[in-house]
Amino acid sequence: GQQLNQSPQSMFIQEGEDVSMNCTSSSIFNTWLWYKQEPGEGPVLLIALYKAGELTSNGRLTAQFGITRKDSFLNISASIPSDVGIYFCAARLGAQKLVFGQGTRLTINP
Amino acid sequence: DAGVTQSPTHLIKTRGQQVTLRCSPKSGHDTVSWYQQALGQGPQFIFQYYEEEERQRGNFPDRFSGHQFPNYSSELNVNALLLGDSALYLCASSFSKWAVGEKLFFGSGTQLSVL
Repeated sequence: GQQLNQSPQSMFIQEGEDVSMNCTSSSIFNTWLWYKQEPGEGPVLLIALYKAGELTSNGRLTAQFGITRKDSFLNISASIPSDVGIYFCAARLGAQKLVFGQGTRLTINP
Repeated sequence: DAGVTQSPTHLIKTRGQQVTLRCSPKSGHDTVSWYQQALGQGPQFIFQYYEEEERQRGNFPDRFSGHQFPNYSSELNVNALLLGDSALYLCASSFSKWAVGEKLFFGSGTQLSVL
């Protein structure tokens, strides 16, 4: 079945550093989404991408839809303590079910 | 404007029992999807309800069933519970039956523990 491989699994960084994470698959998708989940909460949508090559920003967050349609990247610039959480990529093809990656756990040392 | 609400927040059951989880979608939303999130994993799609019918289903056994009511609220039922059913169960709502992912609003989930 469709699988998303998300890396890294965890990151430990200093406040102020930039963060990069990615998500790859052997399958093609036409929508890529990035979510953030904090303890005790459900995932919250950060960025949605609908076109191969698309680069979209949301504040300090920037995500890209890979040109092969098999991958996506999320960057966070100048990290702050409230960026702590688990970041999930998710993707779908047409009206098919949404598939999630396994998440990247971000920890920030002040 | 209330978001997606789920009840209960926590639940403890024993193997073989049955459980019912409840979800009220965000105001104005008509589609409800259910996800299972095991510890350390991403959410896995269970099924989606629109117009009181199951529209799409993930790779889950028939022990998992659901219902949607005329007011768009939904229930997830799991029969013959197994230890492996222990997980966070997330409900998500959206506007359109085809919005499987786009503009999904998630609730905080129900943490189910099966002993």
